[in-house]
Amino acid sequence: TQLLEQSPQFLSIQEGENLTVYCNSSSVFSSLQWYRQEPGEGPVLLVTVVTGGEVKKLKRLTFQFGDARKDSSLHITAAQTGDTGLYLCAGAQGYAGKSTFGDGTTLTVKP
Amino acid sequence: GAVVSQHPSWVICKSGTSVKIECRSLDFQATTMFWYRQFPKQSLMLMATSNEGSKATYEQGVEKDKFLINHASLTLSTLTVTSAHPEDSSFYICSARDFSTDTQYFGPGTRLTVL
Repeated sequence: TQLLEQSPQFLSIQEGENLTVYCNSSSVFSSLQWYRQEPGEGPVLLVTVVTGGEVKKLKRLTFQFGDARKDSSLHITAAQTGDTGLYLCAGAQGYAGKSTFGDGTTLTVKP
Repeated sequence: GAVVSQHPSWVICKSGTSVKIECRSLDFQATTMFWYRQFPKQSLMLMATSNEGSKATYEQGVEKDKFLINHASLTLSTLTVTSAHPEDSSFYICSARDFSTDTQYFGPGTRLTVL
């Protein structure tokens, strides 16, 4: 069973602070996705990283894929209250089918 | 990005009745779809993998006779919760895999409440 450990599980910060969420595994993934989910809605894809060492930026969000394609991080700069939500990482292993999901990080950004 | 729709968005039913939830991929063909269940403030729990034209693959502990899955076309999978009971109340989410991008896209979810 491939496990994807996500940390921290819960994070509560003040608006304007920076934060990093980690996603680690002993398995190699062909690609890794980060999703954000708000209560009562389905997860929304933020980014897909494919190449080891890849860094992608989406406004204040920076995503990094580890060189060995086993881990990833999501860094948010100057968090805003609108960033509040559940962040999920998911690793895919080719076209075999299902992705492996982390347990999620619940982020609360307080005004 | 790719779009996956889910219907209904919420449903309330009486104990003992059956409820069908539809999942559609709107702009790509999905030979593989997935059904998840999610409890409050928790991650997604995979229930089953739905394969177009063949039987679904259920995760351990998920009753296949209770959660019937049909994937009759490349854009539609359905989940039927049979003889629903209050403990089946949950948030059910489907996703479809776009093999061209090796990415799963999620539907908006269905809130099921069994009275």
